[in-house]
Amino acid sequence: DSGVTQTPKHLITATGQRVTLRCSPRSGDLSVYWYQQSLDQGLQFLIQYYNGEERAKGNILERFSAQQFPDLHSELNLSSLELGDSALYFCASSGPDRGGTGELFFGEGSRLTVL
Amino acid sequence: SQQGEEDPQALSIQEGENATMNCSYKTSINNLQWYRQNSGRGLVHLILIRSNEREKHSGRLRVTLDTSKKSSSLLITASRAADTASYFCATDFLSGAGSYQLTFGKGTKLSVIP
Repeated sequence: DSGVTQTPKHLITATGQRVTLRCSPRSGDLSVYWYQQSLDQGLQFLIQYYNGEERAKGNILERFSAQQFPDLHSELNLSSLELGDSALYFCASSGPDRGGTGELFFGEGSRLTVL
Repeated sequence: SQQGEEDPQALSIQEGENATMNCSYKTSINNLQWYRQNSGRGLVHLILIRSNEREKHSGRLRVTLDTSKKSSSLLITASRAADTASYFCATDFLSGAGSYQLTFGKGTKLSVIP
């Protein structure tokens, strides 16, 4: 058990809909990362937050947004969903080191299926 | 974007044999990490090697790093059926925004046959 909790584990929805994925980092971790894993694209970095502030942005679509709340949990919002958004969405957290990228602790993922 | 690339994409070996996976990357790094993923599960960190290190061991794992060739290898000795999983290398790089991003390759799928 990594200590990172993601909900929901599975989600099935229709094109055009909006969903919210939730992540609780390990106790004491200040950084939260979101990754998307699909068969054709592999593991793609979406976005990182550190202590409530956006730190780095990767291949995140404009239809997607995220935030980290004062209690350090994070939410990833996916809107106007398309079939191609079907993927495993992972949240990861890391310790208080602001500058570098040490070990990441991954949740079990949220599997999104868009029909 | 910066991304490590693992080779081979898939590897099938007999239990007890050694498994070697390679990773190549494009730009300078602070560190390189290896992760393991069982089918459909979250990734689990295996080992981190810093850019000033050449070799690191952890149990049956041995990682090497050659920064001049921008490559790394992961060796799993005396493999077991339970080692069946996908293995990813991850490299960090300094993004234009001044922060580090950790990017992953597409992984090597290892099958260990009992």
